[in-house]
Amino acid sequence: GQQLNQSPQSMFIQEGEDVSMNCTSSSIFNTWLWYKQDPGEGPVLLIALYKAGELTSNGRLTAQFGITRKDSFLNISASIPSDVGIYFCAGFGNSNSGYALNFGKGTSLLVTP
Amino acid sequence: KAGVTQTPRYLIKTRGQQVTLSCSPISGHRSVSWYQQTPGQGLQFLFEYFSETQRNKGNFPGRFSGRQFSNSRSEMNVSTLELGDSALYLCASSLPGPRTNIQYFGAGTRLSVL
Repeated sequence: GQQLNQSPQSMFIQEGEDVSMNCTSSSIFNTWLWYKQDPGEGPVLLIALYKAGELTSNGRLTAQFGITRKDSFLNISASIPSDVGIYFCAGFGNSNSGYALNFGKGTSLLVTP
Repeated sequence: KAGVTQTPRYLIKTRGQQVTLSCSPISGHRSVSWYQQTPGQGLQFLFEYFSETQRNKGNFPGRFSGRQFSNSRSEMNVSTLELGDSALYLCASSLPGPRTNIQYFGAGTRLSVL
């Protein structure tokens, strides 16, 4: 599959700050997903995006499907300690593996009280 | 509704051995995908099964294989284990239909090859 370019690789912030991370690809995707993974667990779906330009919120989380269909971003507002974890973007599209989810390498988020 | 269940959670094997991992999808989900997660390579797609047939396959050697049963449960097998096979193996299931790309993950099986 294809590797998506996800940035930043890690973030160290204070509680209450807003966070922004993004993901880009050289290929067009028809779905963008954002997951969070806690240590020792599998990724948990946060937000799913289906249309170019779509902006979707889930509580303090907001994500957008880029107009070019090659990028997406995730914002977390007013971060809290339980936001700590690794956030992954994933795009669903055609690759040399067929139609499959392609993942970014993750953004590791640390929040200090 | 129970989530995706993977067993065992932890495995320790030695080089040259083989291993079988099991995945029970969410009830009603018919697609099961497998991923390998390592610190260096991240999440990499292994294969996907739907209705007992392999539908997609990633770029892994033939030592990695899988199958799906009529109840949608899936197993993956790794033969002739190598040190580099040490990883978290994740299974994900999804519904049939237009939202098949929404995948729900299990907690994974942590495989250590010594």
